[in-house]
Amino acid sequence: QITLKESGPTLVKPTQTLTLTCTISGFSLSTSGVGVGWIRQSPGKALEWLALIYWDADKRYSPSLQSRLTITRDTSKNQVVLTLTNMDPVDTATYYCAHCSGGTCNYFDYWGQGTLVTVSS
Amino acid sequence: EIVMTQSPATLSVSPGERATLSCRASQSVTRNLAWYQQKPGQAPRLLIYGASTRATGIPARFSGSGSGTEFTLTISSLQSEDFAVYYCQHFNNWPRTFGQGTKVEIK
Repeated sequence: QITLKESGPTLVKPTQTLTLTCTISGFSLSTSGVGVGWIRQSPGKALEWLALIYWDADKRYSPSLQSRLTITRDTSKNQVVLTLTNMDPVDTATYYCAHCSGGTCNYFDYWGQGTLVTVSS
Repeated sequence: EIVMTQSPATLSVSPGERATLSCRASQSVTRNLAWYQQKPGQAPRLLIYGASTRATGIPARFSGSGSGTEFTLTISSLQSEDFAVYYCQHFNNWPRTFGQGTKVEIK
């Protein structure tokens, strides 16, 4: 059974760096073809694709946020970590991690419950 | 970056009726398209991938069609649990992008 769970701060101040952890179970980050991505959703808004990391540590980022985003994985801990620097109130959102499937990690078939991050001083 | 445009923004449908949702890509994505359903307070759920293949456990009343730039999600007979927001997402190239969503509400 594949599960993912996000963890991290619920409140960050403007200019701070956000670090979120996705803890996975039911699959291995070392298995060929596996990928985990991060997606966010501002309150009442649409989904926004952020970043993706493959089993071989190859990474993909949203061009609009690439300068601020870093995605890494720790296979020994079964975790994927997302950092977003220089947080701003517009970054207030629910952040989801998700398992991706299909060829080059095309779509997300298992999602975490999401974690709401508020940016406020 | 490919822009995904969904229409309508809101669709009012009576239970038992058919719902047709549209998704348009700013350039061809061949059949590299997925659909998700999201209910309030929940994570999205994968419905369709490859434009027309239902994900595991998805009822047959959900069907997807289209290719290139025009796609459709059809719910043949709306059940109470189908009232939700639906998103399309392309996976033709990077970055993957989502549409802005269509809310299906009770008429």
